Amino acid sequence: DAGITQSPRYKITETGRQVTLMCHQTWSHSYMFWYRQDLGHGLRLIYYSAAADITDKGEVPDGYVVSRSKTENFPLTLESATRSQTSVYFCASSEPRTGGLELFFGSGTQLSVL
Amino acid sequence: SQQGEEDPQALSIQEGENATMNCSYKTSINNLQWYRQNSGRGLVHLILIRSNEREKHSGRLRVTLDTSKKSSSLLITASRAADTASYFCATDARSQGNLIFGKGTKLSVKP
Repeated sequence: DAGITQSPRYKITETGRQVTLMCHQTWSHSYMFWYRQDLGHGLRLIYYSAAADITDKGEVPDGYVVSRSKTENFPLTLESATRSQTSVYFCASSEPRTGGLELFFGSGTQLSVL
Repeated sequence: SQQGEEDPQALSIQEGENATMNCSYKTSINNLQWYRQNSGRGLVHLILIRSNEREKHSGRLRVTLDTSKKSSSLLITASRAADTASYFCATDARSQGNLIFGKGTKLSVKP
């Protein structure tokens, strides 16, 4: 199906475990993003990527790793999960236009770290 | 720290009334965007206004931008129950791609 898909939709893990959240888009957008959403903080940018093999840190990158070997995929890895990483994670993609980037969001992954 | 801050945090109105939400930001911007988020869903883009624009319309939405005051407002006219959602502003002040969101305004429209 066309669009942007995230998997899994829900994930429960334990502290110290590695977990990878997947994001796939079919639009061939050059930009992809990872945000986390927490009560009281709104959305905070973790990492973004302007193209394959190009990634940049956002506001809260510590504890996360990303890669972008293919344009359509942008996985987010928590190398050693902590309780503070319990959150809802949103992936988004965009293609630059005159005026700016308009983001298209996935449905989110709800992650619980016990 | 957040670049954009929405005000109020929550707003409750009756169907048919207008809803106004405000966004203030700290540094110069290239553009400002507004997004809507229904409960449990991802965000949906509503409208983008460039730094050299002062007002923009899209259906029942009206966005204004005052770069001298570093603020923007989103007006939803003749609100409907379906407009119940959280609304976020976003700016890309630092660099293209580094799109920073505010904490949002939660709008409740009662039938």
